[in-house]
Amino acid sequence: GAVVSQHPSWVICKSGTSVKIECRSLDFQATTMFWYRQFPKQSLMLMATSNEGSKATYEQGVEKDKFLINHASLTLSTLTVTSAHPEDSSFYICSARAASSYNEQFFGPGTRLTVL
Amino acid sequence: SQKIEQNSEALNIQEGKTATLTCNYTNYSPAYLQWYRQDPGRGPVFLLLIRENEKEKRKERLKVTFDTTLKQSLFHITASQPADSATYLCALDGNQFYFGTGTSLTVIP
Repeated sequence: GAVVSQHPSWVICKSGTSVKIECRSLDFQATTMFWYRQFPKQSLMLMATSNEGSKATYEQGVEKDKFLINHASLTLSTLTVTSAHPEDSSFYICSARAASSYNEQFFGPGTRLTVL
Repeated sequence: SQKIEQNSEALNIQEGKTATLTCNYTNYSPAYLQWYRQDPGRGPVFLLLIRENEKEKRKERLKVTFDTTLKQSLFHITASQPADSATYLCALDGNQFYFGTGTSLTVIP
């Protein structure tokens, strides 16, 4: 089956620093990748959609200058949380969709970010 | 704006019984509806996808129905097992992709 990895699986950082999270599709080419945020006991909230080689499309209310997304290749997308604050602490999950798929998304295991 | 509701936040059932989870939505016409399983601290895992022109889809002990008139999907797990305990999310897939709030299922041995 299609496998998506995320790195790191957890990170703790100081307020004001930037954190980069990587999302990789290991055995397929992902034409589209998605970034979600999930707070405790809540559902996944789509932050942005990125297509390889083009700028990401951000959902309403998500600051594109704060959450930088780079979809540099068909197997790698990165999310950088810039100048992180405690309220950015959350579970960040990426997913990838292949051009040949039936529209299902394959999710990474998630990254737990804690900002002190 | 679109709204997605899943029947209850938590559902407890006895092992061997059939679990039925509900997903209702408004203000949207998805081309597909998908169901995912999520375990604590993990990303969601895809289970089933049903298209708008399909009434029912089955996969092993799982069955999904999709009623575009009622704007509702039902997700059934037959012969439930304790290992089925998890949070189940429905997701609407059309021009955009939206997740429901999830239902936490506990199967009691």
